[in-house]
Amino acid sequence: SAVISQKPSRDICQRGTSLTIQCQVDSQVTMMFWYRQQPGQSLTLIATANQGSEATYESGFVIDKFPISRPNLTFSTLTVSNMSPEDSSIYLCSVERIGTEAFFGQGTRLTVV
Amino acid sequence: EDQVTQSPEALRLQEGESSSLNCSYTVSGLRGLFWYRQDPGKGPEFLFTLYSAGEEKEKERLKATLTKKESFLHITAPKPEDSATYLCAVQAGAGNNRKLIWGLGTSLGVNP
Repeated sequence: SAVISQKPSRDICQRGTSLTIQCQVDSQVTMMFWYRQQPGQSLTLIATANQGSEATYESGFVIDKFPISRPNLTFSTLTVSNMSPEDSSIYLCSVERIGTEAFFGQGTRLTVV
Repeated sequence: EDQVTQSPEALRLQEGESSSLNCSYTVSGLRGLFWYRQDPGKGPEFLFTLYSAGEEKEKERLKATLTKKESFLHITAPKPEDSATYLCAVQAGAGNNRKLIWGLGTSLGVNP
């Protein structure tokens, strides 16, 4: 298993500002994933972050809006830029090792006002 | 197109009333099917992984089964603390191209 610490757990932000979410894992992992979960919806993958390379973004998500850093094998950040109310969501960090299940942080509940 | 469909969307049971949740999938090259539990305001908590048709896994009051087209999560004699959203996901692709395809979940409520 893996223990994932995600910060902040929640935040209320003004529109037009940016928020950076941190994800710390208790062991080294190759792949880290960032998800968005909008109210009443399931998980939508934003991007995959591999250490040492640029993140790979899913359709509908762009680097300018959701820049990601992956400086080492235990840490990643996701920034939600120039926020609007439509960005209000839960953002989740996830890790998995090849051939095993995914583990999640407790999530960041973001409200944009 | 890879797809995961969960049913029902919501289910309310009386304590002790057994039932099953369904996860049907279409995916090219299934590499694993996963069940998670999610409580409000928290990240998904891993329950089971199933890899091949006929496989079964059990944990307390939960039992997961897998066929070539669907998976069931059987809940035997549920308790109020089993109330949560249950999510199903399938893994598609391989290596660095692998990804999880998620269902919308089943919201389970268990009345005392």
